[in-house]
Amino acid sequence: ETGVTQTPRHLVMGMTNKKSLKCEQHLGHNAMYWYKQSAKKPLELMFVYNFKEQTENNSVPSRFSPECPNSSHLFLHLHTLQPEDSALYLCASSQGREGGRDGNTIYFGEGSWLTVV
Amino acid sequence: QQQVKQSPQSLIVQKGGISIINCAYENTAFDYFPWYQQFPGKGPALLIAIRPDVSEKKEGRFTISFNKSAKQFSLHIMDSQPGDSATYFCAASRDGGFKTIFGAGTRLFVKA
Repeated sequence: ETGVTQTPRHLVMGMTNKKSLKCEQHLGHNAMYWYKQSAKKPLELMFVYNFKEQTENNSVPSRFSPECPNSSHLFLHLHTLQPEDSALYLCASSQGREGGRDGNTIYFGEGSWLTVV
Repeated sequence: QQQVKQSPQSLIVQKGGISIINCAYENTAFDYFPWYQQFPGKGPALLIAIRPDVSEKKEGRFTISFNKSAKQFSLHIMDSQPGDSATYFCAASRDGGFKTIFGAGTRLFVKA
């Protein structure tokens, strides 16, 4: 148990489907992240939220739409994906700038395996 | 400026041997250098981390060596065990984790 919970763990979707990935952190952190992990790019930052405000969008295609309703929850809405989007999507959290010397540690969830068919 | 170069890509070590993974960074603004361990089917988990004001940090069988002038750091796993078989990522971080750059990863296999 890492303190970061992701659901679903596995998802298969067609290219015309709309689905969402959910993440919840129980660590009291201020910052939340979405990472994509694939064989081509092992850990690729997608989005960063600090105090539920998006601080970074790493040139991610608009078919990925994040939502952060509060500091504990993060969603990734998926629509009209491509087969090359199949990957492991990792949610993570950290204390952020307000966390002092320990604020840099990123805590990952176990990931959601996405397959686009 | 934002890259972290990690080597080797894969590593096979005999049980009881020493595993060594190396990383190099470019941006001197980084102030935190963690190593993450990832087992199949799991997310990466923090293994050990170091700040640039020290040259070495040891936790059990795991040691980070840090060379600030060369902008290099390495992970040493002493007495490597089959249970250490995993993928290891080095990272360089600043700004409370917002700017964290990961290396490409090293797949370690420890032969029994």
